[in-house]
Amino acid sequence: AQSVAQPEDQVNVAEGNPLTVKCTYSVSGNPYLFWYVQYPNRGLQFLLKYITGDNLVKGSYGFEAEFNKSQTSFHLKKPSALVSDSALYFCAVRDTAGGSYIPTFGRGTSLIVHP
Amino acid sequence: DGGITQSPKYLFRKEGQNVTLSCEQNLNHDAMYWYRQDPGQGLRLIYYSQIVNDFQKGDIAEGYSVSREKKESFPLTVTSAQKNPTAFYLCASSGQDYGYTFGSGTRLTVV
Repeated sequence: AQSVAQPEDQVNVAEGNPLTVKCTYSVSGNPYLFWYVQYPNRGLQFLLKYITGDNLVKGSYGFEAEFNKSQTSFHLKKPSALVSDSALYFCAVRDTAGGSYIPTFGRGTSLIVHP
Repeated sequence: DGGITQSPKYLFRKEGQNVTLSCEQNLNHDAMYWYRQDPGQGLRLIYYSQIVNDFQKGDIAEGYSVSREKKESFPLTVTSAQKNPTAFYLCASSGQDYGYTFGSGTRLTVV
């Protein structure tokens, strides 16, 4: 079975400071991992994914995420936050074992960047 | 530009009424999905379809129905059996790159 957890409902950071949005997962096989961002009353937009290869994945809008197999984590990071980064962020995981191709989404983390 | 179009953006339903939400994609994706989003609950899967004329129930299919007569289209009907339909509904599709493309959503409100 696959599961994903976003332990923080909300993250607050000052503009210009680094930000981290946490995600941990549980799978039986190997994970495919994704981050999406949602602005108010909009659909989710793809940010980045980890399928295989380098543990550090670079994505859209200056975001990156590090796949850590030993800690079963895939935290989203950005070196310098912008007020426009304020949004709802979702982590998703798909287990390569078990045959399902449907990912499981976390409950979302609201990122608030203060001017 | 390729993408997913959901319509309408806002929809109001009276008690006992069925309503249909439209989802069209021009990405040539085989798989399509419907999710329901409620505040603080993340995304919950309603129905999904891997190929034309085939679809599967997700985690919360009761009170909903779908059809997949064309590859590009995956409409969702919210029936009168759905007792709490007020929510934000998201349609998505996926191709060979494993990631999802989402539509911009339909906000359904019961009046």
